[in-house]
Amino acid sequence: TQLLEQSPQFLSIQEGENLTVYCNSSSVFSSLQWYRQEPGEGPVLLVTVVTGGEVKKLKRLTFQFGDARKDSSLHITAAQPGDTGLYLCAGRRNTGGFKTIFGAGTRLFVKA
Amino acid sequence: DAGVIQSPRHEVTEMGQEVTLRCKPISGHDYLFWYRQTMMRGLELLIYFNNNVPIDDSGMPEDRFSAKMPNASFSTLKIQPSEPRDSAVYFCASSVQGNNQPQHFGDGTRLSIL
Repeated sequence: TQLLEQSPQFLSIQEGENLTVYCNSSSVFSSLQWYRQEPGEGPVLLVTVVTGGEVKKLKRLTFQFGDARKDSSLHITAAQPGDTGLYLCAGRRNTGGFKTIFGAGTRLFVKA
Repeated sequence: DAGVIQSPRHEVTEMGQEVTLRCKPISGHDYLFWYRQTMMRGLELLIYFNNNVPIDDSGMPEDRFSAKMPNASFSTLKIQPSEPRDSAVYFCASSVQGNNQPQHFGDGTRLSIL
């Protein structure tokens, strides 16, 4: 059972389209991170959100942490082929020490 | 600056053999994590260390798995004996103290047990 559910699992879109990826849980997280992973490499951190309702922007990527700190979303505007990759959300709970729980990921493919 | 370094990058071996995966964390990082990634189960935390001391090994699947961190610049994950279901990509990551600090991942070891 995944504590962090990501949806969709797979997404194939055309260059220029917008998309949103979701990360949901029934648990409260003290912080939530989004990573991107490319084939043959390890995940790389994109952003960390810690406050309920927080919104962070990274160029064409917008990240939001839910008010109750149980969910998060990643919105990409005008997707480009370079955005192709596996997007992982990862959360830490107050009672979990330094343990990080990862979602199963959303595999994004952007066609030129 | 050098990132997290893992070796080997690829390992193919027969079931029953001992497998040792190696990791050199980023200098100055006091946390080290071992993960396993498969299509079915995603990225799973196996064990993590703080200042070379194992803190949480609840993710280690069986007694066949063991991990050590003899010093701040080196860690090993050993599987003995290996089984085909151990086939996966194993990642090592390190980070500094702080709840919101990123984990820096190595490029992983792709392990295939025949």
